[in-house]
Amino acid sequence: GAVVSQHPSWVICKSGTSVKIECRSLDFQATTMFWYRQFPKQSLMLMATSNEGSKATYEQGVEKDKFLINHASLTLSTLTVTSAHPEDSSFYICSARRGQGTLQPQHFGDGTRLSIL
Amino acid sequence: EDKVVQSPLSLVVHEGDTVTLNCSYEVTNFRSLLWYKQEKKAPTFLFMLTSSGIEKKSGRLSSILDKKELSSILNITATQTGDSAIYLCAVGGTSYGKLTFGQGTILTVHP
Repeated sequence: GAVVSQHPSWVICKSGTSVKIECRSLDFQATTMFWYRQFPKQSLMLMATSNEGSKATYEQGVEKDKFLINHASLTLSTLTVTSAHPEDSSFYICSARRGQGTLQPQHFGDGTRLSIL
Repeated sequence: EDKVVQSPLSLVVHEGDTVTLNCSYEVTNFRSLLWYKQEKKAPTFLFMLTSSGIEKKSGRLSSILDKKELSSILNITATQTGDSAIYLCAVGGTSYGKLTFGQGTILTVHP
């Protein structure tokens, strides 16, 4: 299989808190992981591409200092939402792609529902 | 800018019906088209298509890519209530392997 684990599954916290979300590929190595954001009844919007051992590539309009991404190993990427505010409330989903080739499907974690009060 | 459009945006059918979902795309350097099913949590992978005209099949679901028409269809036969979900089409068009997603089709299957 290709199992991706994302933790935590939901977070409720106060405005100004920083929140870290972990994404792990459990049974394969993932040189590339992706972070998405999804608003209710909308599709997935790519935030950034995370490459093991190098800096993440952010999509236009995504604040690098706001959404810190670290991909320290071939099985773990983290997204930290710094000083979160209510407008950051959303469903965040990570995905991982097995191997180096681009002709491999992305497999998704179960997502993290973030609610900032 | 890469673009993926799905139709219809929503569909309501009864159990046993057959449905066809559409996906069209405009992508630079097309590499692959993928279909995902999303229920309450994150999307689960259904199919990946790279070659035109070759049907991929899994049980009651099947999909085919038409590179000439820049489109793909996802067919579901003998629908069941468990098929109710959002079906997402995504296209990979860069060497980095990032995907551009369509808006999704919300399928509701009534008993």
